Amino acid sequence: RKEVEQDPGPFNVPEGATVAFNCTYSNSASQSFFWYRQDCRKEPKLLMSVYSSGNEDGRFTAQLNRASQYISLLIRDSKLSDSATYLCVVNKVDSSYKLIFGSGTRLLVRP
Amino acid sequence: DGGITQSPKYLFRKEGQNVTLSCEQNLNHDAMYWYRQDPGQGLRLIYYSQIVNDFQKGDIAEGYSVSREKKESFPLTVTSAQKNPTAFYLCASSMSGRPSYEQYFGPGTRLTVT
Repeated sequence: RKEVEQDPGPFNVPEGATVAFNCTYSNSASQSFFWYRQDCRKEPKLLMSVYSSGNEDGRFTAQLNRASQYISLLIRDSKLSDSATYLCVVNKVDSSYKLIFGSGTRLLVRP
Repeated sequence: DGGITQSPKYLFRKEGQNVTLSCEQNLNHDAMYWYRQDPGQGLRLIYYSQIVNDFQKGDIAEGYSVSREKKESFPLTVTSAQKNPTAFYLCASSMSGRPSYEQYFGPGTRLTVT
C-alpha cells in the first residue's frame, strides 16, 4: 500500500462547480498534512496546511479525518485558474524532516 | 524579494558527464531539500540538509552528491553513476527540519541526458 494515495483524475468540472478531492495516508501516527498545487511544468506551491480542526481559506476548505486516515480538499465556485494538479503531502513518521508527496489529482475546470 | 532560485531552468548533457544543479535561498531557512519528479509520479527525496555542513540521504540518493557549505546554498551533483538522470529536479527549503514547517520550492531544473 502506498504511504499517500490520491485519485489521479482528471476531475473535469464546469466553472462555478464545487469539487472535492480525498487523499488517504497509511501511517496513523502522521502529524503534519498539507495540500500543494502544481501547475503544468512548474514547481509545487503550498496551498494550505491541514489542521485537526479543519481550515478554510476563501473558496478552499481542508479537512482531516484521523479515524479514517484521510484528508480532503473542497473547492467551491471553481475558476478556470483552479485547473492544476493538487498534491497531498504528509510527514514521514520515522523521520522528522521528510515529507511524502502523493502523485496528485488533476483538476480541469472548463468554461 | 525573498525566495529560492535554481539554475539553469533547462540543462542538457551527454551520458557519462557529471552535472551540478544550483539552488540558492535568501529566506534564512535552516533546512534544504532536493527532490526529483518523473512524469505522473510524486516527488521523491534525494538528499536533505538540516544545517550547514550536514546532510542526509533521502530515498533515492544513489548516483547523486550534495554539499552544504553555506546556509544559502545546497548544490546537487548528478553523477554518471545515476542510471536514469533525465528528470525535473526541485529544490526546497523550510524554516527547520520539522514536519510542521512547510517546504517552499524553487522553480526547478529540467535535466535531459542523452
